[in-house]
Amino acid sequence: EADIYQTPRYLVIGTGKKITLECSQTMGHDKMYWYQQDPGMELHLIHYSYGVNSTEKGDLSSESTVSRIRTEHFPLTLESARPSHTSQYLCASSDRHSGYTFGSGTRLTVV
Amino acid sequence: DQQVKQNSPSLSVQEGRISILNCDYTNSMFDYFLWYKKYPAEGPTFLISISSIKDKNEDGRFTVFLNKSAKHLSLHIVPSQPGDSAVYFCAASDPSQGNLIFGKGTKLSVKP
Repeated sequence: EADIYQTPRYLVIGTGKKITLECSQTMGHDKMYWYQQDPGMELHLIHYSYGVNSTEKGDLSSESTVSRIRTEHFPLTLESARPSHTSQYLCASSDRHSGYTFGSGTRLTVV
Repeated sequence: DQQVKQNSPSLSVQEGRISILNCDYTNSMFDYFLWYKKYPAEGPTFLISISSIKDKNEDGRFTVFLNKSAKHLSLHIVPSQPGDSAVYFCAASDPSQGNLIFGKGTKLSVKP
């Protein structure tokens, strides 16, 4: 049973639309992360959070934004989607004693 | 500069034989190493880990070896099965940051 949930699993959306990718975890982890991965390519860290009201940009520049109002919830928003945003988005969480637990991912296609 | 390197982007192995996936790192302060397995359209799943105080950890068909002096670790899968076909990511824990540093991944194909 998954302890970290991402919705939607798949999303096809038109250029210019605003979208929010949801990520929730039930493990009480303080740290949460967003990665972007193109097929067959490496994982790129785009955002992370060490706790409520904490958000930081990752190694890869991204036009997306995140918020962390509650421990369990770490949504990612694109204000105006473009075809270059087409990718797989992976959410993960961890505490200081464990590795990362990943969600199933959201496959985003912008047409 | 990459701190965790998986220099082989792909590996093909016959079913029943051994698969060896390699990973090198540059930071001697890394204290914990993990392997993740990823199928297409799914998130990575944890496979096996090793602490820097050990040189081997075994879990069923999967064994991870750590050579700290060479800053090298490897994942052995024996015997390999077609269901093992996936992308394998090596990761290292940076205690100064509390984050994992991932390699670029190696795509393993196990042929029946």
